[in-house]
Amino acid sequence: QLVLTQSPSASASLGASVKLTCTLSSGHSSYAIAWHQQQPEKGPRYLMKLNSDGSHSKGDGIPDRFSGSSSGAERYLTISSLQSEDEADYYCQTWGTGLWVFGGGTKLTVL
Amino acid sequence: QVQLVESGGGVVQPGGSLRLSCAASGFTFSSYGMHWVRQAPGKGLEWVAFIRYDGSNKYYADSVKGRFTISRDNSKNTLYLQMNSLRAEDTAVYYCAKDLVGAANHWGQGTLVTVSS
Repeated sequence: QLVLTQSPSASASLGASVKLTCTLSSGHSSYAIAWHQQQPEKGPRYLMKLNSDGSHSKGDGIPDRFSGSSSGAERYLTISSLQSEDEADYYCQTWGTGLWVFGGGTKLTVL
Repeated sequence: QVQLVESGGGVVQPGGSLRLSCAASGFTFSSYGMHWVRQAPGKGLEWVAFIRYDGSNKYYADSVKGRFTISRDNSKNTLYLQMNSLRAEDTAVYYCAKDLVGAANHWGQGTLVTVSS
């Protein structure tokens, strides 16, 4: 079964970097994912598509501070030079035939 | 630029029906698959349904299968979600989203559906 696992919460200081993790279920380590940001009281916003080899393509207007990487079944989102507006929920998303699967989301707090 | 605008949400009694719409602009709507995703209050994102670019195939989450129907009118650049036999657990913000080779690369702003007596 295709499942994405994320830690419920993370925190980092203003100006620092943070690395969020999304783990694919067993047997699905070759899958690409997408990362999405959801700021408080707003709809989701597409950040990037991330492939198993670490290559990624970002959405329109996404700052260079956002980057992605991969290792085995793990997919990472790194945010550098954290700003207050980065405080949000971050969801990973993948896909099978005709369906989408979402991780449970990570709530990022900027201290 | 790509715009997706949902409408049709509101308050409905358990067992009732509602039809959501998603008006698309800024891209060739008829070339892309489209999804509905929902988010219950305080919860994460849950995929609801998908329709291929030409309407030839439709897929549903088990939680809505047999009650919800996704459809599209490519001549009107509009996506629909017909929701019947609504339950309290269907209360959520419903988003439409554009599919780009699997990734949800554009989202609407959402429309709130509240199922309550």
